[in-house]
Amino acid sequence: QQPVQSPQAVILREGEDAVINCSSSKALYSVHWYRQKHGEAPVFLMILLKGGEQKGHEKISASFNEKKQQSSLYLTASQLSYSGTYFCGTAQPGGSEKLVFGKGTKLTVNP
Amino acid sequence: SQTIHQWPATLVQPVGSPLSLECTVEGTSNPNLYWYRQAAGRGLQLLFYSVGIGQISSEVPQNLSASRPQDRQFILSSKKLLLSDSGFYLCAWSSIPPNTEAFFGQGTRLTVV
Repeated sequence: QQPVQSPQAVILREGEDAVINCSSSKALYSVHWYRQKHGEAPVFLMILLKGGEQKGHEKISASFNEKKQQSSLYLTASQLSYSGTYFCGTAQPGGSEKLVFGKGTKLTVNP
Repeated sequence: SQTIHQWPATLVQPVGSPLSLECTVEGTSNPNLYWYRQAAGRGLQLLFYSVGIGQISSEVPQNLSASRPQDRQFILSSKKLLLSDSGFYLCAWSSIPPNTEAFFGQGTRLTVV
């Protein structure tokens, strides 16, 4: 039930783009995206609830393909502040109320 | 506004000692409450979640237990800590079902020595 994230790690130069993927073996009710800095609590980025839904937050956006049971997070023109570990969290429909997270993708943005 | 309090922030405990971490939520009612553990460099492992008072679902068999004595209070406990219990523990809450942002506490860094 734990979603699978890929890649495990990404190293970028400032201004480059990145895509982080999140897939599930089960149908999804919602997909959450968070970013965590070392030693801190995860910070909410966005949530997607409907198949095909796309959301944007400054230069960070995400899509949700309900049919494929996957979501992707897009980081455009990356900034140094984007460094951290990105987690996708998923909840399944049909009475399961828990929010389960993937193992995370460590993003490093260098000058 | 909704807030979540988790304490203590750091804790060093000897092997075999008991553990009690507490988490309280303000500004909402009937939340879904969670305990996650994060080992060094690892992901967020769901330990327990609770949809109501006295209702605890355990995700991973282990040396820990959880209780929810009040609607907005969630406690993580152990009778005897193991070295492998070390990690970063995060309390969180969400709506039921989780169709809005989940809020995290600031975490407890537990080191078992």
